Amino acid sequence: GQQVMQIPQYQHVQEGEDFTTYCNSSTTLSNIQWYKQRPGGHPVFLIQLVKSGEVKKQKRLTFQFGEAKKNSSLHITATQTTDVGTYFCAGGYISNFGNEKLTFGTGTRLTIIP
Amino acid sequence: DTAVSQTPKYLVTQMGNDKSIKCEQNLGHDTMYWYKQDSKKFLKIMFSYNNKELIINETVPNRFSPKSPDKAHLNLHINSLELGDSAVYFCASSQVRMMNTGELFFGEGSRLTVL
Repeated sequence: GQQVMQIPQYQHVQEGEDFTTYCNSSTTLSNIQWYKQRPGGHPVFLIQLVKSGEVKKQKRLTFQFGEAKKNSSLHITATQTTDVGTYFCAGGYISNFGNEKLTFGTGTRLTIIP
Repeated sequence: DTAVSQTPKYLVTQMGNDKSIKCEQNLGHDTMYWYKQDSKKFLKIMFSYNNKELIINETVPNRFSPKSPDKAHLNLHINSLELGDSAVYFCASSQVRMMNTGELFFGEGSRLTVL
């Protein structure tokens, strides 16, 4: 089945430093979504990107979708302790039955050193 | 009001037992899902129902049987529990439009521990 790889698996940064996580698919995606899961919590939707080369910003977060729609990145500027958690991308694939299936990436766990 | 609620939050049980997890959403969505998150935090889809019809059924043992009595409810029954079934099970819902899954709303999760 489809796989979505994310790197790095873990990232420890000093508060105030930037953070980036990358997501890669071997096949073209219909769209990509990003989720954040706080420790002990459930995944919470951040954003969806649909168009090739799309870039979206949410305050200190910048999301990009690659031109080939096979990769994506999430960049956080000047991290804060509230950014702690695991960030997941989720790639959309159209199945043989014509419906879309979301496959979650392996996640990047971000910890912040105050 | 909780948008997606699942019960129970915690389940501790012996190997070989049967258990159920219930999920309800009050968002009016037409599609509901079960995801399994293992100890390494990998999130894997198990099942998806659209308007009570099964549309995604991943490679999941037959011991797992979902049931959707109506589009607001999706329950998961697990027979003959095994140690490897220990995980957090998340229910989610979304409104699918033009083959786009849309934003997933997750429940708080049900942590299953099999002893």
